[in-house]
Amino acid sequence: DAKTTQPPSMDCAEGRAANLPCNHSTISGNEYVYWYRQIHSQGPQYIIHGLKNNETNEMASLIITEDRKSSTLILPHATLRDTAVYYCIVSSAVGAGNNRKLIWGLGTSLAVNP
Amino acid sequence: GAVVSQHPSWVICKSGTSVKIECRSLDFQATTMFWYRQFPKQSLMLMATSNEGSKATYEQGVEKDKFLINHASLTLSTLTVTSAHPEDSSFYICSALRSGAHTQYFGPGTRLTVL
Repeated sequence: DAKTTQPPSMDCAEGRAANLPCNHSTISGNEYVYWYRQIHSQGPQYIIHGLKNNETNEMASLIITEDRKSSTLILPHATLRDTAVYYCIVSSAVGAGNNRKLIWGLGTSLAVNP
Repeated sequence: GAVVSQHPSWVICKSGTSVKIECRSLDFQATTMFWYRQFPKQSLMLMATSNEGSKATYEQGVEKDKFLINHASLTLSTLTVTSAHPEDSSFYICSALRSGAHTQYFGPGTRLTVL
């Protein structure tokens, strides 16, 4: 079973920030938080990951709470092309292949509206 | 960087035939590759983990004799669906992980339809 909980769907107006929450209350010390998204009928696309510090890249920002039990993915200026299912996953970042597997929940279906 | 390709992107086959799907990491060496399948309106389900040069590790409920995985090189893994049946129709996706790296990169997926 997935170790994360996300709202099933969200809406966002084009040009506004999209804030996608994720709960991962059972996260362990060596597990990272990863965010991927999947546009319809395509393979997932990596967005960002973090351990405990906030992270930012060209796509998004990741805010992780101090207790690491939840996080928020922020798309600062959402566009129509950001419409996708967003997945929050926790997984170990060390060890052999089988320790690195990603268990996928149902994610959040984000609709960016004009 | 970190591009993963899959071939073919879609395939239609008759029931009882076998289908091979290739997954290639184009610009990095992948010590580990993962195979997933996804049914309509569902999430990705991990089928197996494949390490270069060794046997794949299959998830519970996935038949290893039906879904043959070969990871013969650091840039290529193949999934063969043997004796395919209509219930095997699905979207098959691979991902690749570089040694020492954090992130899995995904291929574009292969849509399999078994008639």
